[in-house]
Amino acid sequence: RKEVEQDPGPFNVPEGATVAFNCTYSNSASQSFFWYRQDCRKEPKLLMSVYSSGNEDGRFTAQLNRASQYISLLIRDSKLSDSATYLCVVNGARDSNYQLIWGAGTKLIIKP
Amino acid sequence: DTEVTQTPKHLVMGMTNKKSLKCEQHMGHRAMYWYKQKAKKPPELMFVYSYEKLSINESVPSRFSPECPNSSLLNLHLHALQPEDSALYLCASSPTSRGGEDTQYFGPGTRLTVL
Repeated sequence: RKEVEQDPGPFNVPEGATVAFNCTYSNSASQSFFWYRQDCRKEPKLLMSVYSSGNEDGRFTAQLNRASQYISLLIRDSKLSDSATYLCVVNGARDSNYQLIWGAGTKLIIKP
Repeated sequence: DTEVTQTPKHLVMGMTNKKSLKCEQHMGHRAMYWYKQKAKKPPELMFVYSYEKLSINESVPSRFSPECPNSSLLNLHLHALQPEDSALYLCASSPTSRGGEDTQYFGPGTRLTVL
């Protein structure tokens, strides 16, 4: 089982639709969770940190379920500019805290 | 300002060349990272520097040699690379040495091609 698993994608959705990404992680001791966005041939950029209480930033909502070891990202009213690869990232919580464990990413394509 | 800069943006080198990648941040971050990313794959951690000391080397071949001259700079020296080393090399930094709990900020990367 991979340490961080995401929907394989790609997701092709029409502009204005709501999109949901799911992610599961295997290490129950993980403490930090992030969603990064990566555009083609660009660097990853932090989209949101994910907190236990859930958090929202405009059209984006992130949720964490520690019991199920599950993280989600919801994008409402999707825009063409939301097209990118979305990476679920979890703190490895092994012998050090340096290591972020990356999911393989889910590619999102928003169509007009 | 959450800017990490990297030079060069693109690099083409032969297998016998020696080159260096440079990374700089002025956010006062004390942890800096080198990642390698192949197409359609997530970033793979190579090295971590904490307070200017190498703290993690993820079994990277010795043809990659990191260096941290000061708290703002991180270099990656390349020598005798192989074509399979062609990739996007990303530098990142985070506020403290507890990198996994702090947000990592990435530079734009250097796209390396080894001929």
